[in-house]
Amino acid sequence: EPEVTQTPSHQVTQMGQEVILRCVPISNHLYFYWYRQILGQKVEFLVSFYNNEISEKSEIFDDQFSVERPDGSNFTLKIRSTKLEDSAMYFCASSDSFNYGYTFGSGTRLTVV
Amino acid sequence: QKEVEQDPGPLSVPEGAIVSLNCTYSNSAFQYFMWYRQYSRKGPELLMYTYSSGNKEDGRFTAQVDKSSKYISLFIRDSQPSDSATYLCAMIGTGGFKTIFGAGTRLFVKA
Repeated sequence: EPEVTQTPSHQVTQMGQEVILRCVPISNHLYFYWYRQILGQKVEFLVSFYNNEISEKSEIFDDQFSVERPDGSNFTLKIRSTKLEDSAMYFCASSDSFNYGYTFGSGTRLTVV
Repeated sequence: QKEVEQDPGPLSVPEGAIVSLNCTYSNSAFQYFMWYRQYSRKGPELLMYTYSSGNKEDGRFTAQVDKSSKYISLFIRDSQPSDSATYLCAMIGTGGFKTIFGAGTRLFVKA
């Protein structure tokens, strides 16, 4: 079964540092997403990416966040200057259609100290 | 009013019971409805997908959508301890690129 791979599984960073979360989506999928889940809270949309550009983003996805698909396989989320409130589980997902369900990765647990 | 409302539970049932999980929503633009299962510290896993109103069955799982009432349900028959997880309802609007998730209902199936 094809899967979405995320690395690292856990990252601890100092407040104010930059972090890059990495994802390898399913190879024939066209739509890519980042979601986050703060402990005990709901899964929240951050950004969707299609045809090499952002197709939609949430209010959470401010100037501190950016996404890239630097090659044909990787999809990254960068947080430029991390804040304590960025501590959360970050999930990458991909799909072959914008209106169908996604395949999620296992997530990266980001802890900002 | 929240866009998607889901009772967080927890819901505890004995093995073999029929489980009913529900969500209500307020945005009439939602057209695509999904249920995901999430085990602790794992990513959500797609269980069921339904377009517009109607029923869909897959093994022990049945998804129902009633757009007139803005109400969706997931039924699990013959529940097993391995079904113990958090169940998330999710929806996508017409022309949208994002999925809106409910808060999730924690289900415990006791052997």
